[in-house]
Amino acid sequence: AQSVAQPEDQVNVAEGNPLTVKCTYSVSGNPYLFWYVQYPNRGLQFLLKYITGDNLVKGSYGFEAEFNKSQTSFHLKKPSALVSDSALYFCAVRDRGGSYIPTFGRGTSLIVHP
Amino acid sequence: GAGVSQSPRYKVAKRGQDVALRCDPISGHVSLFWYQQALGQGPEFLTYFQNEAQLDKSGLPSDRFFAERPEGSVSTLKIQRTQQEDSAVYLCASSLASGSLDEQFFGPGTRLTVL
Repeated sequence: AQSVAQPEDQVNVAEGNPLTVKCTYSVSGNPYLFWYVQYPNRGLQFLLKYITGDNLVKGSYGFEAEFNKSQTSFHLKKPSALVSDSALYFCAVRDRGGSYIPTFGRGTSLIVHP
Repeated sequence: GAGVSQSPRYKVAKRGQDVALRCDPISGHVSLFWYQQALGQGPEFLTYFQNEAQLDKSGLPSDRFFAERPEGSVSTLKIQRTQQEDSAVYLCASSLASGSLDEQFFGPGTRLTVL
């Protein structure tokens, strides 16, 4: 079985400050990990993924995420938040040796204040 | 240019009515997924197609739900005898390869409200 936890329903940050959106996962084997962003009335958009290799993954719009196997985490980060980053963020996991079906977290609402 | 499109964007149905939701994936994408997203939740898997073959329908909540992709492109999700608990946003996503590591491209969703 595979699962994802996003422990924060909402994250508030001031524009220009660094942001972190947390994600932890559980899989039987090794994970494939993804981050998606959802703007109002829009579909989910891919941000970045971890498949293998370097634990620090860089993605779209200046976002990055760090895979930490010992902590089973894949937190999303950005050094300097923009008001336009305000959106709903979803973490997803697939078990490398298991199903091709991803499991999504509940989502975290990021609010960036001017 | 084309992303994934879905129609209708909004659908209001009376309890007991049948509905059909359409998904146009990105041309050439092999994989197609349907998800159900309840308010305040992440997408929950419903079914998966690889070209025209429905390889997994384990997420369909009941036999009232039926999906097809007869020519390996456009897909339709049909819900018969709708119930209030079917109210949700239905998302379609496609990806280039099969069972892949590729990211999924999502449509805007169809918001279904069952009265």
